[in-house]
Amino acid sequence: EAGVTQSPTHLIKTRGQQATLRCSPISGHTSVYWYQQALGLGLQFLLWYDEGEERNRGNFPPRFSGRQFPNYSSELNVNALELEDSALYLCASSLWYTEAFFGQGTRLTVV
Amino acid sequence: GNSVTQMEGPVTLSEEAFLTINCTYTATGYPSLFWYVQYPGEGLQLLLKATKADDKGSNKGFEATYRKETTSFHLEKGSVQVSDSAVYFCALSEKANAGGTSYGKLTFGQGTILTVHP
Repeated sequence: EAGVTQSPTHLIKTRGQQATLRCSPISGHTSVYWYQQALGLGLQFLLWYDEGEERNRGNFPPRFSGRQFPNYSSELNVNALELEDSALYLCASSLWYTEAFFGQGTRLTVV
Repeated sequence: GNSVTQMEGPVTLSEEAFLTINCTYTATGYPSLFWYVQYPGEGLQLLLKATKADDKGSNKGFEATYRKETTSFHLEKGSVQVSDSAVYFCALSEKANAGGTSYGKLTFGQGTILTVHP
């Protein structure tokens, strides 16, 4: 069974640009979560999507947004990139009543 | 709000030594508790979990017991191996309920780097 897959693995963007990160959940999982792992700051919850709707949002500015598609895959968009957005972005999937399984992450570097 | 505090690292041990990584939490209600492990260059893997007080989670020789009275979930292993070298994260989630919250919405501790030498 395929795990959570994220693309791209690495992404380099210039300050002010937009970044789009993608996530495919484990087959059958309806919930997708996004986390930011910035250096020295641990893992911070960003967004939770379930059945196509945003269910919860962490303490991040509105330029962090996303969506979930009918096939339950998800996109995370980061607008107006800032240097401090450089981080590993982890996607996880689950059913709402089961534990989350994580992908390998997308390393975003803003220069 | 919810929070998780892990012992400061890094932790360096010799192979076959005993491991303890302390984890305490603050939460409303009765959360579920998890330990995740992150090997170099990889995402997070669920190591073990406990969903109610006095539950013991165990996997691959690692154990942790949900202690409500001390709000703790310390990770232990009797004999570590070089292959256990990784970053360990303690995490909690509120109880899952339909349309409300989810086991996947996690609050993480800051992580503890473990290095095991031969």
